[in-house]
Amino acid sequence: RKEVEQDPGPFNVPEGATVAFNCTYSNSASQSFFWYRQDCRKEPKLLMSVYSSGNEDGRFTAQLNRASQYISLLIRDSKLSDSATYLCAVNRGTNAGKSTFGDGTTLTVKP
Amino acid sequence: NAGVMQNPRHLVRRRGQEARLRCSPMKGHSHVYWYRQLPEEGLKFMVYLQKENIIDESGMPKERFSAEFPKEGPSILRIQQVVRGDSAAYFCASSDGQFYGYTFGSGTRLTVV
Repeated sequence: RKEVEQDPGPFNVPEGATVAFNCTYSNSASQSFFWYRQDCRKEPKLLMSVYSSGNEDGRFTAQLNRASQYISLLIRDSKLSDSATYLCAVNRGTNAGKSTFGDGTTLTVKP
Repeated sequence: NAGVMQNPRHLVRRRGQEARLRCSPMKGHSHVYWYRQLPEEGLKFMVYLQKENIIDESGMPKERFSAEFPKEGPSILRIQQVVRGDSAAYFCASSDGQFYGYTFGSGTRLTVV
């Protein structure tokens, strides 16, 4: 089983739609969680960190469910420019400090 | 702040040659990570370094690959005797600490011919 798993999609949604992605992780000791966005053939960019209390940044809401070991990303009022691959990342917070990435979920927003 | 600087952006090597990829972290960041991404695949961790120390190299192939982050200068990922299977995008990232998100460089796309 992969340490971090995402539904690869693709998710094809019309403009204005609400779309949600889930990401599950296997290591219950994981401490830090993130969502990144990667456009085709470009570097990933940090979208937001995910906190236990949940957090919101404009149209984007991230939530963490430690009991079920998953994080989610909700995008409201989708824009064409939201089309990208969304990667979740999990950091165990040990002295290794590295993040393990999911393989990504591809979103295409259509007019 | 120039962000994470990687060079070269594109690198073509013949089989058997050496490839050297460079990464300068964001100013003030002391944690450097290298990831590899094959076409249509996810990011795979290779190595995590701090100045003059390799903290975790569990994702790095045991042979032909090495990494360093010297006291002065950029981090270097070195691939000796490249093979076609080494063709990939290599991303470097830096962070302010082990609990923080990463800032990625624009990557080096290595093509082995």
